[in-house]
Amino acid sequence: AQSVTQPDIHITVSEGASLELRCNYSYGATPYLFWYVQSPGQGLQLLLKYFSGDTLVQGIKGFEAEFKRSQSSFNLRKPSVHWSDAAEYFCAVGAGANNLFFGTGTRLTVIP
Amino acid sequence: ETGVTQTPRHLVMGMTNKKSLKCEQHLGHNAMYWYKQSAKKPLELMFVYSLEERVENNSVPSRFSPECPNSSHLFLHLHTLQPEDSALYLCASSQDRSYEQYFGPGTRLTVT
Repeated sequence: AQSVTQPDIHITVSEGASLELRCNYSYGATPYLFWYVQSPGQGLQLLLKYFSGDTLVQGIKGFEAEFKRSQSSFNLRKPSVHWSDAAEYFCAVGAGANNLFFGTGTRLTVIP
Repeated sequence: ETGVTQTPRHLVMGMTNKKSLKCEQHLGHNAMYWYKQSAKKPLELMFVYSLEERVENNSVPSRFSPECPNSSHLFLHLHTLQPEDSALYLCASSQDRSYEQYFGPGTRLTVT
């Protein structure tokens, strides 16, 4: 069965520092992978997606993620975090009848 | 209005009340979804509508009753809810049941 694990519940980084949010998935076939961001009081916004091809994908707001099949991972990165990046981040795998399966999320706090 | 809108944004109801959540998408999509987001749990897919027909019902209790009168509108009718039903209810839409889903801001439901 498919599942997504986000091992970090909460991460705090300083503004301007680099960021990496971890995501591991379990799925028997080639995965479709996604990162969403949820700001307080808002719905989920798609940051980026991986379907096939280049394993390093670029998204909006300066984010990127790298698919590593050998590690079953799809970690999200940003070289320099801005205060407005404070939010909750969700990794998801697309499986089955075009359904999304989400992780439990990582809350990002940015300190000045 | 743009994107996916949801009303009301906040709802407090007693266990014997009947209420409805409304979702409207302005993206021209033909598939709509209801998700439940509870603290520290992954998003749970509740219902999927494609071309106004319900195509998925993930073992959701009958006290939740969805309705999709057209491809732009989705309702979730609630009756005799339990306190554990308190959560953020998210609506999403997509084109042709794709993985690329667009979310509304959610309705924060509190059952007292």
